[in-house]
Amino acid sequence: KAGVTQTPRYLIKTRGQQVTLSCSPISGHRSVSWYQQTPGQGLQFLFEYFSETQRNKGNFPGRFSGRQFSNSRSEMNVSTLELGDSALYLCASSLDVSGGYGYTFGSGTRLTVV
Amino acid sequence: ELKVEQNPLFLSMQEGKNYTIYCNYSTTSDRLYWYRQDPGKSLESLFVLLSNGAVKQEGRLMASLDTKARLSTLHITAAVHDLSATYFCAAHSGGGADGLTFGKGTHLIIQP
Repeated sequence: KAGVTQTPRYLIKTRGQQVTLSCSPISGHRSVSWYQQTPGQGLQFLFEYFSETQRNKGNFPGRFSGRQFSNSRSEMNVSTLELGDSALYLCASSLDVSGGYGYTFGSGTRLTVV
Repeated sequence: ELKVEQNPLFLSMQEGKNYTIYCNYSTTSDRLYWYRQDPGKSLESLFVLLSNGAVKQEGRLMASLDTKARLSTLHITAAVHDLSATYFCAAHSGGGADGLTFGKGTHLIIQP
């Protein structure tokens, strides 16, 4: 059974640019959530999607956005990149939004902003 | 707002010893998760605890949940070097609220 696939694995971008990250959940999973991991702030929730709808959003500026497609694949976009956006971005897949089935994380996308 | 506190944040121990990592959370949560992260890698799911009194074991690791005390523990028995990693607990407040709230992680080093 294929796991959660995140692409690309690594990205280097310049301040002011924008970036799009992709996440393909486990087949049959309809919930996708995104997290940012930095050494200083740890793991922080960005947003969660279920059935193409954003269900909730963490405390991040509007430069961070996302969407989910009908096949449950999700993308997140960060516009006007700042140095502080350098982080490991993790996507998590779950059967539903209850949390009762646990969350499986992808390998992450490591974004470096220079 | 749900807050999750882990302690200790750093633990160095010898092979063969037992130890416990504690995870306290601030508001009602009936879902508690433990993850392992190796350097430069993603999060590997260890345990999903869904009810008060839940206890799960896998190899040398055992996790438990006490929802009344708002406390989960991860117990390591007879530690081996391969268990060296960072361990995170995370709570989910349910009802569709803000995803998982993670603790800061416990960096565990097991020395031969």
